[in-house]
Amino acid sequence: DQQVKQNSPSLSVQEGRISILNCDYTNSMFDYFLWYKKYPAEGPTFLISISSIKDKNEDGRFTVFLNKSAKHLSLHIVPSQPGDSAVYFCAARGRTSYDKVIFGPGTSLSVIP
Amino acid sequence: SQTIHQWPATLVQPVGSPLSLECTVEGTSNPNLYWYRQAAGRGLQLLFYSVGIGQISSEVPQNLSASRPQDRQFILSSKKLLLSDSGFYLCAWSSRDRAPYEQYFGPGTRLTVT
Repeated sequence: DQQVKQNSPSLSVQEGRISILNCDYTNSMFDYFLWYKKYPAEGPTFLISISSIKDKNEDGRFTVFLNKSAKHLSLHIVPSQPGDSAVYFCAARGRTSYDKVIFGPGTSLSVIP
Repeated sequence: SQTIHQWPATLVQPVGSPLSLECTVEGTSNPNLYWYRQAAGRGLQLLFYSVGIGQISSEVPQNLSASRPQDRQFILSSKKLLLSDSGFYLCAWSSRDRAPYEQYFGPGTRLTVT
């Protein structure tokens, strides 16, 4: 049972345009949602997070939107740059530090110069 | 600042041989520690996590095991490797002090079982 889903395995975007990566979840008990970026042969790096009590969090070119009623979140990258080409993982966790983190399968983003 | 080390970076091992991957964290104390595996073209599979010395939770029953002999050391082991154990192994840590308790990953170990 996949609790965190990323239904688009890949996405291609023109440089300078907006990239929108989507994520759906099934467990309404999740309290935090996180996005990670991963280059080939490297460990993922933490990008941005959002608490379940918020609907938007912004950090520079990255904005995450949360729609709790739809159990959906999205990561917006504006403007997209070639260096953003990577695999993006959506993740979710409960309230405490002891809760496991559930990762989605990832979306591979290609930003075309 | 905190850093996480993993070694070796790459490893080629024959089927049936033992395995030991080591992970250490610096600059923090009492972290949560995790082992993940990423098979080719797949997502991140949680293998083990630990909230303290000697406390290991296993997520996937298989021929792998983990140990935490010291607060900032996490070891992944196997007595006999299988072909299906090939993959990219990642160690990660997270703090317990501040939500959202994001994880910080090491550089990974590429394991090829032949």
